[in-house]
Amino acid sequence: DQQVKQNSPSLSVQEGRISILNCDYTNSMFDYFLWYKKYPAEGPTFLISISSIKDKNEDGRFTVFLNKSAKHLSLHIVPSQPGDSAVYFCAASARESRADGLTFGKGTHLIIQP
Amino acid sequence: KAGVTQTPRYLIKTRGQQVTLSCSPISGHRSVSWYQQTPGQGLQFLFEYFSETQRNKGNFPGRFSGRQFSNSRSEMNVSTLELGDSALYLCASSSRGLGTGELFFGEGSRLTVL
Repeated sequence: DQQVKQNSPSLSVQEGRISILNCDYTNSMFDYFLWYKKYPAEGPTFLISISSIKDKNEDGRFTVFLNKSAKHLSLHIVPSQPGDSAVYFCAASARESRADGLTFGKGTHLIIQP
Repeated sequence: KAGVTQTPRYLIKTRGQQVTLSCSPISGHRSVSWYQQTPGQGLQFLFEYFSETQRNKGNFPGRFSGRQFSNSRSEMNVSTLELGDSALYLCASSSRGLGTGELFFGEGSRLTVL
């Protein structure tokens, strides 16, 4: 039973346009969400996070939106650059079970076309 | 400061053998967690150690075990290897423990079981 779902295995976007990566979750206890970016042959690197007390968090070209009622979050990258081509993982955790580890989605492979 | 270091980077084993992977966290980080990444399942939590104690364990069989030393370095061991254990094993360190902030990942140890 996947608690964090990234339904698009891959996404292709033209350079300069907006990339929108989506993530859905089923566990209503999740209250902290993170996005990680992974290049081939490297470990994931932290990108941006959001707590459930917020519905938006922005960091430069990256913005994460959280819709708690829909149990949905999205990562917006504007403008998309070639270096953004990577696999993006959505992750979540619940206050009640901080020690259980982050629950990750299966990832979305973002490809930025020149 | 130096990042998370994992050794070995690549290794090949045969079914039935056992393997030990090592992880050196970022200096000062006391939490070390392990994840298994496979194409079909994404990133799955194995276990987390904090100050030499295993705080929690994911849904993996007892063949997967780990430990943490007083200098926060951690090892994970997989006994009686199966073909399905072929994966990228990622170690992550954190200053505060799981679910409380970002994890810093190593580059991973890619295990191939023949």
